[in-house]
Amino acid sequence: RKEVEQDPGPFNVPEGATVAFNCTYSNSASQSFFWYRQDCRKEPKLLMSVYSSGNEDGRFTAQLNRASQYISLLIRDSKLSDSATYLCVVGHNDMRFGAGTRLTVKP
Amino acid sequence: ETGVTQSPTHLIKTRGQQVTLRCSSQSGHNTVSWYQQALGQGPQFIFQYYREEENGRGNFPPRFSGLQFPNYSSELNVNALELDDSALYLCASSPGTGGEETQYFGPGTRLLVL
Repeated sequence: RKEVEQDPGPFNVPEGATVAFNCTYSNSASQSFFWYRQDCRKEPKLLMSVYSSGNEDGRFTAQLNRASQYISLLIRDSKLSDSATYLCVVGHNDMRFGAGTRLTVKP
Repeated sequence: ETGVTQSPTHLIKTRGQQVTLRCSSQSGHNTVSWYQQALGQGPQFIFQYYREEENGRGNFPPRFSGLQFPNYSSELNVNALELDDSALYLCASSPGTGGEETQYFGPGTRLLVL
């Protein structure tokens, strides 16, 4: 079993759609959780940290369920510029990345 | 943008050769982590250095080695290159011990092994 597993995607959605990504992790001792965004042929960049209480940043909402070892990312009102690969990242002594879910937002 | 730089940007080597990749962290960031990202995959953790000591390692063979220097620079060395070593190599820095903190990535070095 992979340490961090994500929806394989790809997701192709129209502008304005709401899209949700899911991620599960295997290490119950993990203590930090993030979503990173990676554009084609670029480095990953932090999108948002994920807290137990859930957190929101504009159109982006992240949720963490420690009991189920599950993390989610919701994007509302998708923009063309949201097209990227979204990486789920889990930290415990070091950071482990999921394989990423590719999102394409179309006009 | 993140203050993390890497060199070279691209590199072509042949099987069996050795390569050294370089990273310059943000000033004041004591931890540097190195990742290998194959095409279509997420970054895979290679190892992590904190204040010039290795303090974590992923599932990579000993021919992957590293160094961290007091001036916030670091190196990834790979000996006896194999075709499967072709990938994007990313370094990331963080201010503390790094294990669970936000990491700031450099632009990466694309290595092609022929």
